[in-house]
Amino acid sequence: GQQVMQIPQYQHVQEGEDFTTYCNSSTTLSNIQWYKQRPGGHPVFLIQLVKSGEVKKQKRLTFQFGEAKKNSSLHITATQTTDVGTYFCVFSGGSNYKLTFGKGTLLTVNP
Amino acid sequence: DAMVIQNPRYQVTQFGKPVTLSCSQTLNHNVMYWYQQKSSQAPKLLFHYYDKDFNNEADTPDNFQSRRPNTSFCFLDIRSPGLGDAAMYLCATSSIGRGGYTFGSGTRLTVV
Repeated sequence: GQQVMQIPQYQHVQEGEDFTTYCNSSTTLSNIQWYKQRPGGHPVFLIQLVKSGEVKKQKRLTFQFGEAKKNSSLHITATQTTDVGTYFCVFSGGSNYKLTFGKGTLLTVNP
Repeated sequence: DAMVIQNPRYQVTQFGKPVTLSCSQTLNHNVMYWYQQKSSQAPKLLFHYYDKDFNNEADTPDNFQSRRPNTSFCFLDIRSPGLGDAAMYLCATSSIGRGGYTFGSGTRLTVV
């Protein structure tokens, strides 16, 4: 079956430092989505990447989809305490409307 | 605002006593999902409806059932909750070909 690994599992940074989380798949992905879940909250959709080599930005967040569509990354520049939460990459496992979550990266930010 | 609403926010049930969690949406999305999320874990898909078509995940226990009487509502029935079923239950919706899921705030189930 399709295997997607998300790393790191945890990341603790000082406020103002950068942060990156990576997702790597054993097979080509049709698309990949990213979600953020605040502690005690529910997942919130951030973005969807579809095209090979795609790069999208949302303010301090930069999302990339690899050329081979087997990996993706989320980079946060100059983290703030509001960035705290778990970031999940989410991908289509078979059906294009059934999504499977990666294990997530928990980001904590020290003010 | 269009949204996904889950009730109740917190549910306490007794071991073995049937419980129903509800989800409603005003987005008119054709797909509705139920996820189970345990502490410090990723959400795990239990089942989903594509319109009226029910799709069960292979590893979803028989103890879990679902109903979707119309486009707007979807229910999760746990027939005989065990201690291991204590978790956050998340409802989500999507519209095919239109980006990401919209999640409800979840129902945190406690089994005593």
